[in-house]
Amino acid sequence: SYVLTQPPSVSVAPGETARITCGENNIASKTVHWYQRKPGQAPVLVMYYNDARPSGIPERFSGSNSGNTATLIISRAEVGDAADYYCQVWDSGASHPVFGGGTELTVL
Amino acid sequence: QVQLVESGGGLVKPGGSLRLSCAASGFNVGDQYMNWIRLGPGKGLEWVSYIGASIAYTKYADSVEGRFTISRDNAKNSVYLQMDSLRAEDTALYFCARLWNGYYSFDHWGQGVLVTVSS
Repeated sequence: SYVLTQPPSVSVAPGETARITCGENNIASKTVHWYQRKPGQAPVLVMYYNDARPSGIPERFSGSNSGNTATLIISRAEVGDAADYYCQVWDSGASHPVFGGGTELTVL
Repeated sequence: QVQLVESGGGLVKPGGSLRLSCAASGFNVGDQYMNWIRLGPGKGLEWVSYIGASIAYTKYADSVEGRFTISRDNAKNSVYLQMDSLRAEDTALYFCARLWNGYYSFDHWGQGVLVTVSS
């Protein structure tokens, strides 16, 4: 089964680039999805299939997946981007999704 | 417009039961894989269960297998999670989420409902 490893926290200043990683052995062989959750709100899909943005998600959000690490990249970070971010893959062997532990992004 | 609204949460004693509901609008729950996902205090997201489209195939996380039961009422366009033999570690915010067909990601989520298991 998969264990997706995320850093507990990432902190950047407004305008900087935030990089949130999701690690697993040979994760590049999987497609990775990313969710943003702000306190009191429902999670929102911000990236699917490694690097595809759903409609309504700013172009500042991008993704990559190579080797053992998938990365969500937030360029020109804004205070409003502060949230918890979770990566997710589908474990085809077990036939169910697996989530990372989540990363708290601070922008200030 | 797709909308998911959960209800039925609350405070329950260990060993007790609770039934969560998820009312959907803007699509038919019978046509999609519907999931329950939880967020425990100080923890990350944890997938709990899903019910498949059409044939209503069900699957559960090991942590809830044998205690939780997912079901669906197409006429009411709703999905349910019957939770029995509840434990303190089941305390969490429970989300109803729709699996995006073919993409294996969750494109719509409810706001969540809080379940607290405590004596």
